Amino acid sequence: SQTIHQWPATLVQPVGSPLSLECTVEGTSNPNLYWYRQAAGRGLQLLFYSVGIGQISSEVPQNLSASRPQDRQFILSSKKLLLSDSGFYLCAWSRGGSSTDTQYFGPGTRLTVL
Amino acid sequence: AQSVAQPEDQVNVAEGNPLTVKCTYSVSGNPYLFWYVQYPNRGLQFLLKYITGDNLVKGSYGFEAEFNKSQTSFHLKKPSALVSDSALYFCAVRDLTNFNKFYFGSGTKLNVKP
Repeated sequence: SQTIHQWPATLVQPVGSPLSLECTVEGTSNPNLYWYRQAAGRGLQLLFYSVGIGQISSEVPQNLSASRPQDRQFILSSKKLLLSDSGFYLCAWSRGGSSTDTQYFGPGTRLTVL
Repeated sequence: AQSVAQPEDQVNVAEGNPLTVKCTYSVSGNPYLFWYVQYPNRGLQFLLKYITGDNLVKGSYGFEAEFNKSQTSFHLKKPSALVSDSALYFCAVRDLTNFNKFYFGSGTKLNVKP
């Protein structure tokens, strides 16, 4: 069966510090991968998605970047965090090549920037 | 552009009563629609999806959803609500024309009172 992991689960960082959040998927190959941010426990904002290694699409220009160094690894980064980067970050995957499958979400990372 | 709307920020229902969480969609082409549930500080969990076929879709935890093409709606329903159903519910549509991205509604908080 497939599983998705995110770490860390919680993170408190000062403004201006770097960020690295990691997401890995097990039990599948060539998945589509997604990063979302959820502010104030409500709507989801799609940040990045990837359909393959090294292929990253950015949805919203901002202080963040993403990379996919391996097939099942997706990393969210920032060189200098802003207060507005605080939120709940969710990684998700869906089966590559499938148009009918759902997305499967990781447990999330709660980021607080002080 | 593809989109979904959840017109209610919050729905309150008494335990044992039927519940409905509303969702309307706007898509070009055939809609692929999904419902997810989110418990506090957790990732989203898949409940059910409509791809094609029967307009009444059954999902996890006793939930079902009715696809109505003429009203462009995909309302989530349950015949008898449980206190444990209290959570945040998201409707989503999959964009088949744009790298299989998913567009999420703003979420509806369901409160089931004993």
